Amino acid sequence: QVHLVESGGGVVQPGRSLRLSCAASGFTFSNHAMHWVRQAPGKGLEWMAVISYDGINTYYADSVKGRFTISRDNSKNTLYLQMNGLKPEDTAVYYCARGQTYNGNYLRCFQHWGQGTLVTASS
Amino acid sequence: DIQMTQSPSAMSASVGDSVTITCRASQGISNYLAWFQQKPGKVPKRLIYAASNLESGVPSRFIGSGSGTEFTLTISSLQPEDFATYYCLQHDAYPWTFGQGTKVEIK
Repeated sequence: QVHLVESGGGVVQPGRSLRLSCAASGFTFSNHAMHWVRQAPGKGLEWMAVISYDGINTYYADSVKGRFTISRDNSKNTLYLQMNGLKPEDTAVYYCARGQTYNGNYLRCFQHWGQGTLVTASS
Repeated sequence: DIQMTQSPSAMSASVGDSVTITCRASQGISNYLAWFQQKPGKVPKRLIYAASNLESGVPSRFIGSGSGTEFTLTISSLQPEDFATYYCLQHDAYPWTFGQGTKVEIK
């Protein structure tokens, strides 16, 4: 079955960097776009970024554009989120989620999520 | 960017009640809308996709409807396990956006 496992979270000082990973299994990773979603403590869900199935196209929320970079390695079935210039307001649980297929099928989009990894940006 | 306005932000209801949550999009999104349920400390779970299609295994008391700019999630006959926070998500255009969430609490 589909399995997504995030890693790389932790406590980091404001201004520093962190890279999250999301290891995928149980499906053809290279056929799906992949997304990052975050949730600050006690707050709602916030869509962060997406990368196309082939890694060519990326889109970001305005709140992280220019600071965060989404990437993927289809040979390793792994999704990444490089977070630079972290701010206290970036403190959140970060989830990866499986997105639409390469041919634009949204029927199973966001049907599968990882368990999340907590990032705390604090001095 | 498309804004999703979800209401109410919270509600109290009793077991057996019917409740309705609304999401309004700032521009038309056809039926590119999904609904999620999240319980404390848990991963969000998709309930409805394409505005009105029930996820496999989700009870039929969850009903999604709407198209364009106005969408609703109705839970008929609330059950104890339905007390949770619900979110809508538009996936018509990037950046995708979630509604602010609706917390359904026990009265």
